[in-house]
Amino acid sequence: NAGVMQNPRHLVRRRGQEARLRCSPMKGHSHVYWYRQLPEEGLKFMVYLQKENIIDESGMPKERFSAEFPKEGPSILRIQQVVRGDSAAYFCASSPTDGGGGNTIYFGEGSWLTVV
Amino acid sequence: KNQVEQSPQSLIILEGKNCTLQCNYTVSPFSNLRWYKQDTGRGPVSLTIMTFSENTKSNGRYTATLDADTKQSSLHITASQLSDSASYICVVSAMDSSYKLIFGSGTRLLVRP
Repeated sequence: NAGVMQNPRHLVRRRGQEARLRCSPMKGHSHVYWYRQLPEEGLKFMVYLQKENIIDESGMPKERFSAEFPKEGPSILRIQQVVRGDSAAYFCASSPTDGGGGNTIYFGEGSWLTVV
Repeated sequence: KNQVEQSPQSLIILEGKNCTLQCNYTVSPFSNLRWYKQDTGRGPVSLTIMTFSENTKSNGRYTATLDADTKQSSLHITASQLSDSASYICVVSAMDSSYKLIFGSGTRLLVRP
C-alpha cells in the first residue's frame, strides 16, 4: 500500500515562473492537506481539500497560490510568478476521513522548491 | 493565539540512554495532541495521537503523556538507538478545526554511539 506520493521531490524555478506540485493521496483517502515548511520553521497549514471541494484555505496566501483536488487525478498546488520567499518544503498529507479527532494524518516526503 | 512550544530545541544523548522531550501549548479549545518524527529531508511520521481523555500513549520505545489541565505533553524515548536521531515535533489541534494541525518547531535529537 503506497503512501502519500509527491512529485517532484525537488524543483528549481526562476523568479516569475510557475511551480506545480502534485500529490497523490494514499489509496482510499479522499481528504488532502497542504502544509509549507520554511527553513528552520515548523510546518504551517495552507489548505484542506476534499474531492473537488476546497474545505478550508485559510492558510493560503491570497495571491499567486491555488490548490485543487479534481475528481480524477492528483491534487495540485500551483504557485504563479514565484518569488524567492516561496522557497520552502511543501508537504502534502491525506486521511481517509476528516483528519480531526483521533484520526491519523499521513504525510508525503515533501517537494522542495528553490527559487533562484 | 494558538501556539505550540517545545523544549529543548536540541539534545544530544548517548546510544542506549533515555530522554524526555517537552511540549507546552496554548491551543484552545483543545482537541488532540500528536507527536511526529521527522528525519532530515523527509516527511513527518506519526508516533502517537492523544485526545482530551487520554493521559498516556505508547508506541514501542516511545511513550507520550498529556496533562490537559496544565496544557503540557512529554515524549519519552527509552533505550535510544542511532536511528532515533531526528526532529520530534509536537502537533496540536483545536476543536473548531481539528483537521488543522498546529506544529511546534521541534526538538532535534542526536543519538551518538
